[in-house]
Amino acid sequence: DTAVSQTPKYLVTQMGNDKSIKCEQNLGHDTMYWYKQDSKKFLKIMFSYNNKELIINETVPNRFSPKSPDKAHLNLHINSLELGDSAVYFCASSRGLAVSYEQYFGPGTRLTVT
Amino acid sequence: AQKITQTQPGMFVQEKEAVTLDCTYDTSDPSYGLFWYKQPSSGEMIFLIYQGSYDQQNATEGRYSLNFQKARKSANLVISASQLGDSAMYFCAMMGSGAGSYQLTFGKGTKLSVIP
Repeated sequence: DTAVSQTPKYLVTQMGNDKSIKCEQNLGHDTMYWYKQDSKKFLKIMFSYNNKELIINETVPNRFSPKSPDKAHLNLHINSLELGDSAVYFCASSRGLAVSYEQYFGPGTRLTVT
Repeated sequence: AQKITQTQPGMFVQEKEAVTLDCTYDTSDPSYGLFWYKQPSSGEMIFLIYQGSYDQQNATEGRYSLNFQKARKSANLVISASQLGDSAMYFCAMMGSGAGSYQLTFGKGTKLSVIP
């Protein structure tokens, strides 16, 4: 009964490749997010979707493209992977945009670009 | 813009003792939420506790309590009766209410090690 799931958990690929990470939540939440955690464990927002609409798009290279086919899914596609993209990517969801709504995180996807 | 500062990169605590993890924040939003998350070595992010900016009382969840001092803009996490399983990274985060604030802004984290 995983609340927020991500696939794959590990992703090892070469520079220049294109890859996707999938995220699904079964909590009935309206809002989903992508965060990046770097090698120093710092977490930073990348994207946020509310009711399938993009509401936050931080200064992320346009090689990163999120897609939300429905409220339960938010996928992340990355083109032309670079060494600096190596990180752990977390998907999260919350009931909505209110400041009181905690976010539930997926298990993370560890991306290694060689 | 919001900012979270965690000044303790690492902390040690003896098992069964209490420990306080510091967090200060900065925001101009009138309403905001403060959160603490735990990240064990296995990597998942676990929500621990929430404090709203208008809450009159400090939040508590089991062994976790949040020492909220609004005037000082601090939201310290107190863990009572530490257990070995509490060894992990702890992140303070906030969510504001202003335009473009619909995201969690995280601090750099504190690595807590519980000593038997």
